[in-house]
Amino acid sequence: AQSVTQLDSQVPVFEEAPVELRCNYSSSVSVYLFWYVQYPNQGLQLLLKYLSGSTLVKGINGFEAEFNKSQTSFHLRKPSVHISDTAEYFCAVSENNAGNMLTFGGGTRLMVKP
Amino acid sequence: KAGVTQTPRYLIKTRGQQVTLSCSPISGHRSVSWYQQTPGQGLQFLFEYFSETQRNKGNFPGRFSGRQFSNSRSEMNVSTLELGDSALYLCASSLATSGSYLDTQYFGPGTRLTVL
Repeated sequence: AQSVTQLDSQVPVFEEAPVELRCNYSSSVSVYLFWYVQYPNQGLQLLLKYLSGSTLVKGINGFEAEFNKSQTSFHLRKPSVHISDTAEYFCAVSENNAGNMLTFGGGTRLMVKP
Repeated sequence: KAGVTQTPRYLIKTRGQQVTLSCSPISGHRSVSWYQQTPGQGLQFLFEYFSETQRNKGNFPGRFSGRQFSNSRSEMNVSTLELGDSALYLCASSLATSGSYLDTQYFGPGTRLTVL
């Protein structure tokens, strides 16, 4: 069975600074990888996904992530954050034969300070 | 296009009762998945329905059940509620064209269930 580890439960960062949210996964088969964002009292919104092809994936709101198969990682990055990026971020995996069943990491709370 | 809607948004029940939550997917979407979100366990997959059939099931007790109707709307039911069932229940829908397994899932705002 797959599992997802988000190494940081909270990441404080100043506005306009770069940020990296870390995600590692374990699985015995090929996986698809996702990052979702959750704003307070809302559902999840897809930021980006990796299915195949280029290991650098660009998403919405200026976010990007890089798939590293050898390190089983899928870290999320943004070169310059805004106050509005303050939210909870979830990394998720789906095994390639598991349909829409997503396994989520524990989440990382990004706190952008002015 | 309207997004995924979930009703009710908030619900308070007492232990031992049962509850039914509803999810209306985005128009044209055929797959509906349910997740439970709690501070302790995080986001956990409950089950997925496609064309009125359960396609995947997570590791939850039989008290948790669901169904999908011909118009793709879905309901989940929790019987004999326990305090630990207090959670945000999220529904997600996806196109699932030609029965394909992986389409982007769009999440609703969730139903917050409190069990007293």
